[in-house]
Amino acid sequence: GAVVSQHPSRVICKSGTSVKIECRSLDFQATTMFWYRQFPKQSLMLMATSNEGSKATYEQGVEKDKFLINHASLTLSTLTVTSAHPEDSSFYICSARNLMGGDTDTQYFGPGTRLTVL
Amino acid sequence: GQNIDQPTEMTATEGAIVQINCTYQTSGFNGLFWYQQHAGEAPTFLSYNVLDGLEEKGRFSSFLSRSKGYSYLLLKELQMKDSASYLCAVKDSNYQLIWGAGTKLIIKP
Repeated sequence: GAVVSQHPSRVICKSGTSVKIECRSLDFQATTMFWYRQFPKQSLMLMATSNEGSKATYEQGVEKDKFLINHASLTLSTLTVTSAHPEDSSFYICSARNLMGGDTDTQYFGPGTRLTVL
Repeated sequence: GQNIDQPTEMTATEGAIVQINCTYQTSGFNGLFWYQQHAGEAPTFLSYNVLDGLEEKGRFSSFLSRSKGYSYLLLKELQMKDSASYLCAVKDSNYQLIWGAGTKLIIKP
């Protein structure tokens, strides 16, 4: 149980285009999903917390108009990188919190999406 | 500020035991997680500690001392596939996860 999928796994796009990344919880309902980015050899950086049916909460320094998050259902959250630039190239990872997994409040991660902006 | 410290890199021998330490200074404490992350992949959950003491799960064990702001992950009978980064994360008073930078573990034959 507690499987999270992410699509696509890799994407290469031209500068100025938009890219949508999907995150799905496959065998559980996730009222909360998290979006992270990770640069090479660096720690995970939380970008935003996504709650089903409400607006996402963005971390300081993350532009909400550039990184659009939609959490329309209990199993799906999407991150859209708008007007992508080369500096947005990174490893984007989503996670979902399985509230049915006991009181550990564990986050389960998707496999990640490697974005390369040319 | 909030801070999680882990060694950047460690090397160990196949079949041996290694201990990865994590110290933390956070605004409140609501649990500590250890995750394993292989290169180019997302983290996978290893363990969770919220009370002091040792939690054992197969070859992996995790220890917590809340008074010392300290945890360690103990890996026994090391295998080559254990080569990965190990991330320590603390849930603070707001139930936000604060992540360490990770410890890269290199296993040699």
